[in-house]
Amino acid sequence: DSGVTQTPKHLITATGQRVTLRCSPRSGDLSVYWYQQSLDQGLQFLIQYYNGEERAKGNILERFSAQQFPDLHSELNLSSLELGDSALYFCASSVADSLRIEAFFGQGTRLTVV
Amino acid sequence: AQSVAQPEDQVNVAEGNPLTVKCTYSVSGNPYLFWYVQYPNRGLQFLLKYITGDNLVKGSYGFEAEFNKSQTSFHLKKPSALVSDSALYFCAVRVTGGFKTIFGAGTRLFVKA
Repeated sequence: DSGVTQTPKHLITATGQRVTLRCSPRSGDLSVYWYQQSLDQGLQFLIQYYNGEERAKGNILERFSAQQFPDLHSELNLSSLELGDSALYFCASSVADSLRIEAFFGQGTRLTVV
Repeated sequence: AQSVAQPEDQVNVAEGNPLTVKCTYSVSGNPYLFWYVQYPNRGLQFLLKYITGDNLVKGSYGFEAEFNKSQTSFHLKKPSALVSDSALYFCAVRVTGGFKTIFGAGTRLFVKA
């Protein structure tokens, strides 16, 4: 168990809908990262927050947004969902915003858009 | 452009034999290199990293990796494979700028009994 908790584990929704994925980082970790894993795109970095502030942005669509709350949990909001958004979404956390330290991953949320 | 390549989609090895999973990188500046493993229906687990110092890095579960600056490689190795090592392995590099961590496409390792 990595200590990173993601809910829900599975989510099935229809095209055009909006969903929120939730992540609780390891205790004491200030950095939260979101990744999307799909068969055709591999593991893609979406966005990073550090202590409540956006720190880095990757291949995140404009339909997607995220935030990190004062208690350090994070939410990833996906709107106007398309079939192609079906993927496994991972959250990871690390104690600091340093290139030298590893991240700890949650078990992911599997999103299926029908 | 900064990138990570895992040239093999799949590696097959017999239990007890040594295994190598290859990774090459292209970054500007000093590379910070990582290996992660993903078991079915699980998140990625950290195995080992190279930051600086000794080119041979030892990690979890008996894995090690060798950093080779001239060949820009960071191959993952294990002297004796176990069936339980069968999983998806990702090489990653952490970079400055907008894409903090770049992952390779992953290599699926099959260890046959």
